[in-house]
Amino acid sequence: GAVVSQHPSWVICKSGTSVKIECRSLDFQATTMFWYRQFPKQSLMLMATSNEGSKATYEQGVEKDKFLINHASLTLSTLTVTSAHPEDSSFYICSASAHEGRVGYTFGSGTRLTVV
Amino acid sequence: GENVEQHPSTLSVQEGDSAVIKCTYSDSASNYFPWYKQELGKRPQLIIDIRSNVGEKKDQRIAVTLNKTAKHFSLHITETQPEDSAVYFCAALWGGGADGLTFGKGTHLIIQP
Repeated sequence: GAVVSQHPSWVICKSGTSVKIECRSLDFQATTMFWYRQFPKQSLMLMATSNEGSKATYEQGVEKDKFLINHASLTLSTLTVTSAHPEDSSFYICSASAHEGRVGYTFGSGTRLTVV
Repeated sequence: GENVEQHPSTLSVQEGDSAVIKCTYSDSASNYFPWYKQELGKRPQLIIDIRSNVGEKKDQRIAVTLNKTAKHFSLHITETQPEDSAVYFCAALWGGGADGLTFGKGTHLIIQP
């Protein structure tokens, strides 16, 4: 089955620093990758959609200059949280979709970000 | 955009009983409705899904029903077991995979021994 790897699984950083999270599709080519954020005891909220080779589409209210997304290849998308602040602490999770006449979403294992 | 409402937020049932979680969606063009189970600190796991051209789908103890006219779909778990305890999310999607899923707020299912 489709496997999506996300790294790191957890990270603690100081306020003002940047953190990069990687999302890789291991056994399929992900035309589209999605980034979600989940606060404790809440649902997953879509942050942005990234298509390989093009700019990401951000959901309303998500700052594109703060959450930089790069989808340079069909197997890798990265999310960089720039100038992180404590309110950015959350569980970030990616998912990948392959356009092959089917709809399928495989989630990465998630990244727990804590900004101190 | 799509809006998904999920009820109840918490559901406690006795082991062996059935559990039903309901979701409604707003966009009549939505055509894919997955259900995910998420254990604490882990990724959501797809447990069952249904497409708009089907009214019901069953997989062992889990079933999903879809009422397109009323724009609601439900998850049914029969013969519940302790390992069914988790948070369950419904979601809806329009399109062929180019859009992100819109999730419900989740239901914390508690199976009482």
